[in-house]
Amino acid sequence: GAVVSQHPSWVICKSGTSVKIECRSLDFQATTMFWYRQFPKQSLMLMATSNEGSKATYEQGVEKDKFLINHASLTLSTLTVTSAHPEDSSFYICSAPGRVNQPQHFGDGTRLSIL
Amino acid sequence: DAKTTQPNSMESNEEEPVHLPCNHSTISGTDYIHWYRQLPSQGPEYVIHGLTSNVNNRMASLAIAEDRKSSTLILHRATLRDAAVYYCILRLSGNTPLVFGKGTRLSVIA
Repeated sequence: GAVVSQHPSWVICKSGTSVKIECRSLDFQATTMFWYRQFPKQSLMLMATSNEGSKATYEQGVEKDKFLINHASLTLSTLTVTSAHPEDSSFYICSAPGRVNQPQHFGDGTRLSIL
Repeated sequence: DAKTTQPNSMESNEEEPVHLPCNHSTISGTDYIHWYRQLPSQGPEYVIHGLTSNVNNRMASLAIAEDRKSSTLILHRATLRDAAVYYCILRLSGNTPLVFGKGTRLSVIA
């Protein structure tokens, strides 16, 4: 069964709206979670690493004020796309590392469509 | 992360074996070789991983070259549900995030 739960799976909203995506680790604690973005016909791009109890680490070119990450507990990380615009439409995927040298676990993704 | 090279696409007939190649000539001694696949509109799914020895699990087999500069993912009997993009990724030991390349798009023909 899924070890990482991501919600919602699909969002359609108007331009200017802020959208929150939740990522939960099931049955294990994740002090770190990874957020990826995937545009159509492209590969996954790492956006940021969220860390429980401290600030997230963003990859180069990712706007911190645009993509707010909160790692509120050992089982929950959230990504908020603030004032979303059509160019933010994408497939957002969260992930949690497994044990050392073990597989990384992925959520099912959130398809975000901004009108 | 060290770079991997995979063919853009491959095609297989249903119920036949599939060998998906991956070149990673700059692999370091501590890099693990991971394979994931992504079905349409889903998050990536773990397939298999290894360090030096060949590995088998219920999904696939991983054959690693003796010099570790290449590896092959083997699906023993392709089904239509195996149609996906397959990613070969080198990962440092520990919990660093996976860095995805373009992968190989596998089509399975009935």
